[in-house]
Amino acid sequence: GQNIDQPTEMTATEGAIVQINCTYQTSGFNGLFWYQQHAGEAPTFLSYNVLDGLEEKGRFSSFLSRSKGYSYLLLKELQMKDSASYLCAVSQAGTALIFGKGTTLSVSS
Amino acid sequence: DTAVSQTPKYLVTQMGNDKSIKCEQNLGHDTMYWYKQDSKKFLKIMFSYNNKELIINETVPNRFSPKSPDKAHLNLHINSLELGDSAVYFCASSQEFQRGRETQYFGPGTRLLVL
Repeated sequence: GQNIDQPTEMTATEGAIVQINCTYQTSGFNGLFWYQQHAGEAPTFLSYNVLDGLEEKGRFSSFLSRSKGYSYLLLKELQMKDSASYLCAVSQAGTALIFGKGTTLSVSS
Repeated sequence: DTAVSQTPKYLVTQMGNDKSIKCEQNLGHDTMYWYKQDSKKFLKIMFSYNNKELIINETVPNRFSPKSPDKAHLNLHINSLELGDSAVYFCASSQEFQRGRETQYFGPGTRLLVL
């Protein structure tokens, strides 16, 4: 079976750094995605990791450790507009994405 | 230019009715999906089509029937609507399926409320 865990809620202040963790247990692992979803909107792609290590993309970075079944999304220089849900999703060969329940991030001034 | 579009955006209907949601993508992708997002924001796959063929059919009641007239369209028909069907339904597409690494692009969602 598959199991994906991430914290339900996190809070942070503008300008800070926040790390959203995701742990997973799956078979046939084919990569891990992070999506951002603002309230009332569609999920939008943030990052994809299939190899161990850190992928940096502007203020956002994503890390993967396949041996530990662990990933994190790092958001730097937080802005109010970063308040959203962050969805961790695992890709398995031959199936669709399996999403975690999402982490709702609230950024305050 | 909307990449993945869905209609309607909002749908309010009575229990027992039959309704359809339409989805179109202009990205030239081969694979399309339907997801259901419940009130707790949990996004769960329902169906996937690759080049008009059904490739994923999760444990969804057979009141839900997807139809793909061509690879740019994937519609969802729901018979005998129930209160528990109230949710946001997202359509998505990706370049291809077998590799499993393709980014999925989501439509804006259809907010279904069954009264």
